[in-house]
Amino acid sequence: SQQGEEDPQALSIQEGENATMNCSYKTSINNLQWYRQNSGRGLVHLILIRSNEREKHSGRLRVTLDTSKKSSSLLITASRAADTASYFCATLDNFNKFYFGSGTKLNVKP
Amino acid sequence: NAGVTQTPKFQVLKTGQSMTLQCAQDMNHEYMSWYRQDPGMGLRLIHYSVGAGITDQGEVPNGYNVSRSTTEDFPLRLLSAAPSQTSVYFCASSLAGAFFFGPGTRLLVL
Repeated sequence: SQQGEEDPQALSIQEGENATMNCSYKTSINNLQWYRQNSGRGLVHLILIRSNEREKHSGRLRVTLDTSKKSSSLLITASRAADTASYFCATLDNFNKFYFGSGTKLNVKP
Repeated sequence: NAGVTQTPKFQVLKTGQSMTLQCAQDMNHEYMSWYRQDPGMGLRLIHYSVGAGITDQGEVPNGYNVSRSTTEDFPLRLLSAAPSQTSVYFCASSLAGAFFFGPGTRLLVL
């Protein structure tokens, strides 16, 4: 089974609201990354957080990592219609294997 | 820099045919990997390589072969295509844990 699992599977919010997505994983990791994928397109790397970091910010994105709970969250503040996409967490384990979760579909309504 | 390139963009095969999906990167990254993405799902790791001459299996390696004769190239070979291999295939390279993805190859096996 896949290493990472996102929650919720789908999220629908109004423009301007915040969106929070969670990711849980199973084994020890080197780092955790979040990616965005627009419908039918490739993956865009958003942010990377290393196992010894607890929080990271990039623009409107805030990522937290709790290695004791094996979980991470991605917060998108002041969402825009252009943020509509699928968001995936991915973990790099200590054996150089990279695993993706099944994704959260975010719909931001204008 | 062209980044990570993949060819072809789209391919139709008949069951039993073989083909090679090409992946190249010009960033001198040691780590390269192949994933498949089925509809509504995250990416699953097929094979990966930590450097020229070294390859290893991921989550779903059956039916696929890889080789890494140079740092730049990491081709994925389908030995005898099956309808279950209909998917979108992504190649990625990595440096310091950050991954860069190619645009993907959409494969349809009839």
